[in-house]
Amino acid sequence: QKEVEQDPGPLSVPEGAIVSLNCTYSNSAFQYFMWYRQYSRKGPELLMYTYSSGNKEDGRFTAQVDKSSKYISLFIRDSQPSDSATYLCAMSDDDYKLSFGAGTTVTVRA
Amino acid sequence: DAGVTQSPTHLIKTRGQQVTLRCSPKSGHDTVSWYQQALGQGPQFIFQYYEEEERQRGNFPDRFSGHQYPNYSSELNVNALLLGDSALYLCASSSWGGLLIGELFFGEGSRLTVL
Repeated sequence: QKEVEQDPGPLSVPEGAIVSLNCTYSNSAFQYFMWYRQYSRKGPELLMYTYSSGNKEDGRFTAQVDKSSKYISLFIRDSQPSDSATYLCAMSDDDYKLSFGAGTTVTVRA
Repeated sequence: DAGVTQSPTHLIKTRGQQVTLRCSPKSGHDTVSWYQQALGQGPQFIFQYYEEEERQRGNFPDRFSGHQYPNYSSELNVNALLLGDSALYLCASSSWGGLLIGELFFGEGSRLTVL
C-alpha cells in the first residue's frame, strides 16, 4: 500500500464547474499538507498549504484536511480552461521530506 | 528574482553511463532537495542538502549521490545508469525549516532519458 493514494483520473469537466480532488494517506504523523499544480513538462507549483486539520480558502481554491479520516481535498470553483493541469497532493511530518500522490490529470473544457 | 534553475533541461544517456544534474536555488534559500518523477507518477524524494551535508535520504541506492557547494547550489550524480532511471529530476529549494510554512519551490526539472 502506498503512503499517499490519489486517483489519477483523468477528470474532465465543463468550464465553470467545480473540480473536486482528494487524497488519502496512511501515515498519521503527517501534519503539513500541500497541493501542487503541474503543467505538462514543467515543475510543480505550490497552490495551497495547510497545517494540521481544517479548511483554507484562497480565491477559487479551497483546501480541506481531515486528519481523523486521513483524507484531504482540494476544490476549484468556477473552473477555467487554464486550470487544466495535473494536481499533486503532498504531505510531510517534521523532517522536511514530502510524500506525493501520483497526481490527478484535470481537463476543463471550454 | 530568479527562481530555482536547473541544467540541463534535457539529456540522453546510455545504460552504464554517469550523469550530473545541476541546480541553483532561489535567492535567499539555503536548502536543496532532489526528487525523481517517473512518467505518470508523483515525485519521489531522493535526498536533501543543507550546509553542504546530506540531511535526509529517501529510498534510493548509493548510485545516487549529491553535493552542495558553499553558494548553496547543488549537483545530483547518478552512476551506472539503468533504463529505469529515465525520469524528470526535480530540484526544490527552501530555507532550512521553510517547509514549516510551505516554502518549497521547484525548478522546471531535468528530463533524463536512458537508452
